[in-house]
Amino acid sequence: KAGVTQTPRYLIKTRGQQVTLSCSPISGHRSVSWYQQTPGQGLQFLFEYFSETQRNKGNFPGRFSGRQFSNSRSEMNVSTLELGDSALYLCASSLGSSALEAFFGQGTRLTVV
Amino acid sequence: AQSVTQPDIHITVSEGASLELRCNYSYGATPYLFWYVQSPGQGLQLLLKYFSGDTLVQGIKGFEAEFKRSQSSFNLRKPSVHWSDAAEYFCAVGTINTGTASKLTFGTGTRLQVTL
Repeated sequence: KAGVTQTPRYLIKTRGQQVTLSCSPISGHRSVSWYQQTPGQGLQFLFEYFSETQRNKGNFPGRFSGRQFSNSRSEMNVSTLELGDSALYLCASSLGSSALEAFFGQGTRLTVV
Repeated sequence: AQSVTQPDIHITVSEGASLELRCNYSYGATPYLFWYVQSPGQGLQLLLKYFSGDTLVQGIKGFEAEFKRSQSSFNLRKPSVHWSDAAEYFCAVGTINTGTASKLTFGTGTRLQVTL
C-alpha cells in the first residue's frame, strides 16, 4: 500500500511568486492535514480537510490556502511568497473522520530566495 | 489552549543503553497522545499512540510510552538503543474541536544521538 505522496520534493521560488504543493493521501484515507516545519517555529498546523471541506485552520495569514478534491488529493497554495515561508511542508492523511492518527508524507522542501 | 513541552533539546546515549525522552502536555480534557520520529530529510513516522485504556502503550521498533495523568506526562522509553534510532523525536497531543475537526500540536522535538 503506497504511503502519502507529496510533490514536488524540492522547490526553489523567488519572493513575491506563488507556489502550489500537492499531496496524495493513502488510498482510502479521506482526511488530509498540512503542517509547516521550520527550525525556529517547529511543526505548526496549517489546515485540515475532510470530504473536500476545510474543517480546521491554523494561525497563518490568508496567503496560505488549500483545497481538497473529490478523490481526497489535496493542494496547498502560498501566494506572494516571503523569505520566512521557507520550510518543510508536510502533508498527513488519516483513515477516519478524525485526523488524529496521521500518516505523514516525506514533505516538500520549499526555499524562497 | 493545548501545548506540549519536550524539555530536552538534545540527548546522547551509548548504543545498548536505555533511553527515556520526556514529554509534558497541557490540555483540559483527556488527551490523545502520540510520539513520532523523523530522520533527516524525511517525514514523520508514528511510533505509538495513546487514546485511552492501558497507560503503558507499546509501539514499533521496541519503543514504549507511559501516560501519567497526575504528572501530565507521556515519556517515551526504550530498553536498549540501536545506532539506527538516532533521529529527532516529537511528542504531540491531538485535540478535537467542534464536531470532529482536529489537529496535532507538537513539541519542539528531542534530537537523539547514539554513540557506538
